[in-house]
Amino acid sequence: EPEVTQTPSHQVTQMGQEVILRCVPISNHLYFYWYRQILGQKVEFLVSFYNNEISEKSEIFDDQFSVERPDGSNFTLKIRSTKLEDSAMYFCASMSSGSNNEQFFGPGTRLTVL
Amino acid sequence: QKEVEQNSGPLSVPEGAIASLNCTYSDRGSQSFFWYRQYSGKSPELIMFIYSNGDKEDGRFTAQLNKASQYVSLLIRDSQPSDSATYLCAVNIGGGRRALTFGSGTRLQVQP
Repeated sequence: EPEVTQTPSHQVTQMGQEVILRCVPISNHLYFYWYRQILGQKVEFLVSFYNNEISEKSEIFDDQFSVERPDGSNFTLKIRSTKLEDSAMYFCASMSSGSNNEQFFGPGTRLTVL
Repeated sequence: QKEVEQNSGPLSVPEGAIASLNCTYSDRGSQSFFWYRQYSGKSPELIMFIYSNGDKEDGRFTAQLNKASQYVSLLIRDSQPSDSATYLCAVNIGGGRRALTFGSGTRLQVQP
């Protein structure tokens, strides 16, 4: 069964460093999302992406964040200058155009900012 | 503010019993409703979705939606220890391909 994949599974970085989290959505899906979950808290929406542009973003997704689909398969989230409070699980999700708005999540990347 | 509320639990049920998980939402513009299961340290896994008032059954799972009361629930019949997880209610507010708004989840413990 097709699934969303994410790399790396765990990323440790120093405060102020840039990180890039990578996702490969399900191959025929057209809508892509990033969410994050701080330990012990709710899953929070960051940004959605369709047709090579951002379609929706939350207040969390400030100028430190950017997303890109550099090729036909990868979808990336970049954090330019990480802060301690960016430590969280980051989940990528994708959805097909013909779906009932079902979003399927990848396994996540645990980001630890020291 | 658009909220999705769940009782954090834990909800403890014996093996074989029915587990009932509840969720309320604040925005009447909410279009579709999802239940995800999340094991500790893992990602959310979609188990059910519902759009219309009433019940929707899939195997041991039944989702119930009451838009007038802004209430959605998940029933798990014949609960198994492997059902022990956190169940997340998620709401698509505004329809289309919009983001999901998640509740904080209810932790379910099924006692063998």
